Amino acid sequence: QVQLVESGGGVVQPGRSLRLSCAASGFSFSNYGMHWVRQAPGKGLEWVAVVSYDGSNKYYADSVKGRFTISRDNSKNTVYLQMNSLRVEDTAVYYCAKYSVGWYLDYWGQGTLVTVSS
Amino acid sequence: QSALTQPRSVSGSPGQSVTISCTGTSSDVGGYNSVSWYQQHPGKAPKLMIYDVTKRPSGVPDRFSGSKSGNTASLTISGLQAEDEADYYCCSYAGSYLVVFGGGTKLTVL
Repeated sequence: QVQLVESGGGVVQPGRSLRLSCAASGFSFSNYGMHWVRQAPGKGLEWVAVVSYDGSNKYYADSVKGRFTISRDNSKNTVYLQMNSLRVEDTAVYYCAKYSVGWYLDYWGQGTLVTVSS
Repeated sequence: QSALTQPRSVSGSPGQSVTISCTGTSSDVGGYNSVSWYQQHPGKAPKLMIYDVTKRPSGVPDRFSGSKSGNTASLTISGLQAEDEADYYCCSYAGSYLVVFGGGTKLTVL
């Protein structure tokens, strides 16, 4: 069965960096795009970034463009989110999600909490 | 990258039907038959309920149905049950690998 397991969350000071990982299993990882979606406390879902199946295409929300970098290692079945210059407003649960063939997110991880606070 | 517009809350009694709307633009909802809906219970990850506007993944009850007209998509839940109480989010493909979410709707089963 499909499993997505995020890790790397924690408490970090504003301006610092953090790298999230999402380990995938149960499907042919190298055939699918992958997303990061976040949810601030008490708020709705916000799409953050997507990487194509082969890593050649990457797109970002305006709110993180220039600060966050999505990448993947198909040999390790893992997608990453490098978050630099973190801000208090980046505090959220970060989910990774698998892109289906038909432009929807069919499987989600359990999320990892990132708290940006001094 | 503007969020899709959903009502903040809807409610209904057990057995009734409710409909949640999701309004976008011709660049997202109106431009593609790629609207999906997600159910999220408190403290849990989102769960796919509807994809490609009208399709249900295996295991999702047929009480859940989706539709679209122009730039507005809708999720209808018939025969409301207590366990349907959750937050619901619409999502649309917006071209070039991008997706955009709605702001979410809290469903209360009275």
